[in-house]
Amino acid sequence: AQSVSQHNHHVILSEAASLELGCNYSYGGTVNLFWYVQYPGQHLQLLLKYFSGDPLVKGIKGFEAEFIKSKFSFNLRKPSVQWSDTAEYFCAVTHGGDSTLTFGKGTMLLVSP
Amino acid sequence: NAGVMQNPRHLVRRRGQEARLRCSPMKGHSHVYWYRQLPEEGLKFMVYLQKENIIDESGMPKERFSAEFPKEGPSILRIQQVVRGDSAAYFCASSPYRGHTGELFFGEGSRLTVL
Repeated sequence: AQSVSQHNHHVILSEAASLELGCNYSYGGTVNLFWYVQYPGQHLQLLLKYFSGDPLVKGIKGFEAEFIKSKFSFNLRKPSVQWSDTAEYFCAVTHGGDSTLTFGKGTMLLVSP
Repeated sequence: NAGVMQNPRHLVRRRGQEARLRCSPMKGHSHVYWYRQLPEEGLKFMVYLQKENIIDESGMPKERFSAEFPKEGPSILRIQQVVRGDSAAYFCASSPYRGHTGELFFGEGSRLTVL
């Protein structure tokens, strides 16, 4: 069964620091990759997704992620975080024609002002 | 995205009671997914339904849990004889069609607490 690993459960940063959240998946076939964000008290929202093409994907709010097939990774990055980025971030994957998402355990990001 | 509606947002039950969680998908979406989030865990897939059909229930516990998505009305996740370990956040998501590999749209979740 496919699985998704997120390296850090909790990350604390100061505003303006750079962010990189790690994500690795186990499935070897064709995958679609996603990052979702859950702000406190809100529903999950899509940050960005990768299906094919340019492995560097740009999403909303200045986030980007890079798909590295050889490393089975899809790390999320942001050059300069803001206090409003405090949230939980989930990496997720679907494979082939399947629409069921498999999620990582999430990374809780706390940005201090 | 307020399109996927879940209720109740919070539900408290005593051990042995039944819990019913409801999900109305986004307008135009006919596919519904249920996920469970336990404390310190990610979202775990439970079941995937289309109107009047269960497409994939590989993540559903074998006992006490059931789900339906009738022709009319919301999808319902039913937990019979709840136990403390059922305390979790239950999220519903919807998509427009089967095999849609794009974005799933999530509701705000129903948080079940079992006393």
